[in-house]
Amino acid sequence: GAGVSQSPSNKVTEKGKDVELRCDPISGHTALYWYRQSLGQGLEFLIYFQGNSAPDKSGLPSDRFSAERTGGSVSTLTIQRTQQEDSAVYLCASSWPTGAAEQFFGPGTRLTVL
Amino acid sequence: KQEVTQIPAALSVPEGENLVLNCSFTDSAIYNLQWFRQDPGKGLTSLLLIQSSQREQTSGRLNASLDKSSGRSTLYIAASQPGDSATYLCAGAGSYQLTFGKGTKLSVIP
Repeated sequence: GAGVSQSPSNKVTEKGKDVELRCDPISGHTALYWYRQSLGQGLEFLIYFQGNSAPDKSGLPSDRFSAERTGGSVSTLTIQRTQQEDSAVYLCASSWPTGAAEQFFGPGTRLTVL
Repeated sequence: KQEVTQIPAALSVPEGENLVLNCSFTDSAIYNLQWFRQDPGKGLTSLLLIQSSQREQTSGRLNASLDKSSGRSTLYIAASQPGDSATYLCAGAGSYQLTFGKGTKLSVIP
């Protein structure tokens, strides 16, 4: 079946603009994760969704970042008032709901803030 | 807080060599350890997952081991090929989130 998909693959925006990044998980996976990969910081956890439970937002770097998951499937990561330090690759992953299940990653969205 | 370290940061080997990539972690209370491959400009491809109760996993020319007591994992690649050139990342799982090392960039020279 299809893997995790993300869109857009590349996004260039101006500082101060809002952006939305989309993730479609593997069908049937109820757990969904967002990570960020930047040159200086490596791969960092951002947020975790599991079914209808409240998400774990502990990795979000500031209140400009938010994410939602509609219908237990597609997720959108929104960054408001983008800053240059937000430039990174944003990766989405999904898994089965069992504890510490194998995570499968999408191809990522490369965000460049000018 | 879990910290994951990978050594070396980069490795260059001639084709056909066997090689070992190292990963160490500070918190032994991990649920599992996952090895990934990342090609330039691409996402992560899962290679092997070792549950905390396991000692090793094998897939083709790849073998990964896990020693929780010493906080170490290794990824062994047999008979390396130019197509193995990529960055290899290890990640330790808490109850759900992964903590990643910075990766080892492998170059296999034909």
